[in-house]
Amino acid sequence: GDSVTQMEGPVTLSEEAFLTINCTYTATGYPSLFWYVQYPGEGLQLLLKATKADDKGSNKGFEATYRKETTSFHLEKGSVQVSDSAVYFCALTSGGSNYKLTFGKGTLLTVNP
Amino acid sequence: DAGVIQSPRHEVTEMGQEVTLRCKPISGHDYLFWYRQTMMRGLELLIYFNNNVPIDDSGMPEDRFSAKMPNASFSTLKIQPSEPRDSAVYFCASSLFLRNSEQYFGPGTRLTVT
Repeated sequence: GDSVTQMEGPVTLSEEAFLTINCTYTATGYPSLFWYVQYPGEGLQLLLKATKADDKGSNKGFEATYRKETTSFHLEKGSVQVSDSAVYFCALTSGGSNYKLTFGKGTLLTVNP
Repeated sequence: DAGVIQSPRHEVTEMGQEVTLRCKPISGHDYLFWYRQTMMRGLELLIYFNNNVPIDDSGMPEDRFSAKMPNASFSTLKIQPSEPRDSAVYFCASSLFLRNSEQYFGPGTRLTVT
C-alpha cells in the first residue's frame, strides 16, 4: 500500500535559518503530493501541492519539488520565521489508495527568535 | 464561508458513556472525511462520504464507532460505549473532489475519556 516517510522531529531553528524537512513516499502509479501544516490548536491546512513529476509547489516562501526518480518531496524555506512554528505533514493520494490522503507522521518545527 | 465547523471543541466523558461529535462541511463540498489524530498513530482516516453516502469505512476501529450523514450539511461520529483508548483529537474535513483536491479541515474535537 501507499506510505509516506518524513524526517523525525522535533526540529528547532533560529529565526532566518534555512529549513529542510525530508519526505519520501511509496505509491502505486503516479501520486499527487501535498504538504499540510497544522498550527497549534487548529486543524490542518494545505500549504502546497504538486501533481506530476518535476512540478514545484510553492506558497508563503515554502517550496517542494516532486522528484519521481528519488520518490521524494522535500519541503524547504530559505528563511524561517517564528510564525512558521507548527507541525508539517507530507501526504499523497494515488489510485492505489483510491485517492484517499495518506499522511506521514508529521514533523514539529519550532522557530526561536 | 465559515469553513468546516465542528462541535464540541472539547469533550470530557467517563468510560462507558456515549459520545457524539458533530460536523458541518463547507457548502457545496461533495466529500466529507472523519480523521482521528493521536501521538502514537498519527492521523488516521476513519470514514468518508460522497454525496452523503458512506464510501469507505475501513478505518473505523470497532463496532463501537458509527458515522452518519443525514444531509449535505451535517454529519455525526458516535462512539458507544466510549473507552479511555478513544481519547484523541477527531477532525472532520471536506473537499470538492477526491482526486488531487484540497481537503479543508475543521478545528477538531479533543475527546478525553476517563
